[in-house]
Amino acid sequence: GAGVSQSPSNKVTEKGKDVELRCDPISGHTALYWYRQSLGQGLEFLIYFQGNSAPDKSGLPSDRFSAERTGGSVSTLTIQRTQQEDSAVYLCASSLGTSGFYNEQFFGPGTRLTVL
Amino acid sequence: GQQVMQIPQYQHVQEGEDFTTYCNSSTTLSNIQWYKQRPGGHPVFLIQLVKSGEVKKQKRLTFQFGEAKKNSSLHITATQTTDVGTYFCAGPRAGNNRKLIWGLGTSLAVNP
Repeated sequence: GAGVSQSPSNKVTEKGKDVELRCDPISGHTALYWYRQSLGQGLEFLIYFQGNSAPDKSGLPSDRFSAERTGGSVSTLTIQRTQQEDSAVYLCASSLGTSGFYNEQFFGPGTRLTVL
Repeated sequence: GQQVMQIPQYQHVQEGEDFTTYCNSSTTLSNIQWYKQRPGGHPVFLIQLVKSGEVKKQKRLTFQFGEAKKNSSLHITATQTTDVGTYFCAGPRAGNNRKLIWGLGTSLAVNP
């Protein structure tokens, strides 16, 4: 079946502009995660959605970052007034979200954001 | 706070040599997951270990989960150029097993 998809694959924007990044998780996955990865670095957790629960926003670096998930499926990460330090690959992942042990995360290909 | 640490950060090996990366958690984990990210790619799930002392093998890869469930290792026998990439370990956050705490990864380079 289809995996996690993200769009756009690449986004170049000017400093101060707003950007929207989209994630389509695997159908039936109730958990959705956004991560940020700078060149050669590890994964920085941003936000986590689980079903209809309030999202865990503890990783968002500033109030310029926000995310929503509509209908428990598609998610949009919005960055307002982009800064050069926002340049990174933004990865989305989804998982079954069950309470059991097996909750491997399936990642999308990422969106490479470049802020000029 | 809860942390997962990986060593080494980087490793260069000659093709055919063995490679090991270690993962250490500040807290006891209910399970640990390993992912591989190829250069330019995204993380891909490799395996999950659940039991204390568990050992699992995938061809040339051997994964171990420590007896205390606070550490884990990934060993690759006779590395190949296809093993190049960054290997991440991740464990569930205390109180929420759906959210993972990630190590910073070990980047493996293999010289042909």
